[in-house]
Amino acid sequence: SQQGEEDPQALSIQEGENATMNCSYKTSINNLQWYRQNSGRGLVHLILIRSNEREKHSGRLRVTLDTSKKSSSLLITASRAADTASYFCATDAYGYSTLTFGKGTMLLVSP
Amino acid sequence: DGGITQSPKYLFRKEGQNVTLSCEQNLNHDAMYWYRQDPGQGLRLIYYSQIVNDFQKGDIAEGYSVSREKKESFPLTVTSAQKNPTAFYLCASVSGPLTIGGQPQHFGDGTRLSIL
Repeated sequence: SQQGEEDPQALSIQEGENATMNCSYKTSINNLQWYRQNSGRGLVHLILIRSNEREKHSGRLRVTLDTSKKSSSLLITASRAADTASYFCATDAYGYSTLTFGKGTMLLVSP
Repeated sequence: DGGITQSPKYLFRKEGQNVTLSCEQNLNHDAMYWYRQDPGQGLRLIYYSQIVNDFQKGDIAEGYSVSREKKESFPLTVTSAQKNPTAFYLCASVSGPLTIGGQPQHFGDGTRLSIL
């Protein structure tokens, strides 16, 4: 399976702290995407990073990609209680027309 | 507003019964996907369709069937052959083939299916 794996499975922090989630994958990719899922809802796309990019920013989000290590990280700075959700990475591999999702990291941000 | 609508939000199935989950999009997207999500798990692909009247099996297609008669609609039938159908089902769409530059998927809010 080319499924990615997020680490940690769960993360609990206080408001104002930074949250870092990691994703590892197995095969060469075209791009990697991060999604957020609030409890009982669908996924929402956060950010896409292509295989030739090393870092990307969007607001309080910072994503890095290391293709040599087949890994990516998502950093959420100055976390808020509203950031409480599950976060998934998804890979788009060469030769495939589908995304492969990891199992996700559950983030709890306490006020 | 454009988006993806899944219905119903909650669905109950009796033993031996087929049930159909609806997914409609008004984003004019070409490709549509069905995923299954179990507690604490990621998304697993059931079926996907890149154009009307064509669809492909995903990783866990057994016990499921789909149709794509219209661009806007991609219903999923959970058949009686699916012995463990209790899960959260998510539908998604994307504007073009993933091989062209990578496109984010847009998701509906899911249908939770339970067994009576």
